[in-house]
Amino acid sequence: TAGITQAPTSQILAAGRSMTLRCTQDMRHNAMYWYRQDLGLGLRLIHYSNTAGTTGKGEVPDGYSVSRANTDDFPLTLASAVPSQTSVYFCASSEPGTGGGYTFGSGTRLTVV
Amino acid sequence: GQNIDQPTEMTATEGAIVQINCTYQTSGFNGLFWYQQHAGEAPTFLSYNVLDGLEEKGRFSSFLSRSKGYSYLLLKELQMKDSASYLCAVFDSNYQLIWGAGTKLIIKP
Repeated sequence: TAGITQAPTSQILAAGRSMTLRCTQDMRHNAMYWYRQDLGLGLRLIHYSNTAGTTGKGEVPDGYSVSRANTDDFPLTLASAVPSQTSVYFCASSEPGTGGGYTFGSGTRLTVV
Repeated sequence: GQNIDQPTEMTATEGAIVQINCTYQTSGFNGLFWYQQHAGEAPTFLSYNVLDGLEEKGRFSSFLSRSKGYSYLLLKELQMKDSASYLCAVFDSNYQLIWGAGTKLIIKP
């Protein structure tokens, strides 16, 4: 089934450790996004990429980095995790500027202790 | 700043009709989306409105008034499986998607 694969599904991480959340899509969408979702808040954009080789900062980029070496993969790295990064992380993709909507991965539930 | 408002929670009865409202204030407008998100799952696309009026898709309809910065999602013949959060999101002038916090819809038998 075409779509977005995220890994891991969930993770408990010690504060100060680094971690990379993986995201792979097979729809050949140009644009990809990383969001975090916290209770009572809307989805907040961390970083995005409009096409392979380019990335941009979203609303809450601090403490996170991304890369986009090819069309399919868009990993998100936490260099030194802090408890406030406990959240559910969703990767999404789309064709920019269209009404086709975003396709989301199933999410990664991260707990930083 | 950019802002999207929708009720935090609504309750409705199985078989009934419910309307979930969304108001927005954004820098530009290039379309409005509604997504459904079941607990513990990813959001899934429901509808997209870019022109004023009503778009109907089976039991779900979405309405847009750009002059009022207002949209609603209408769900008819409610089923228990419709219990979910409904997210309103707007494309701003840069085609960045701005998200509301979502409306949790509880369906009672």
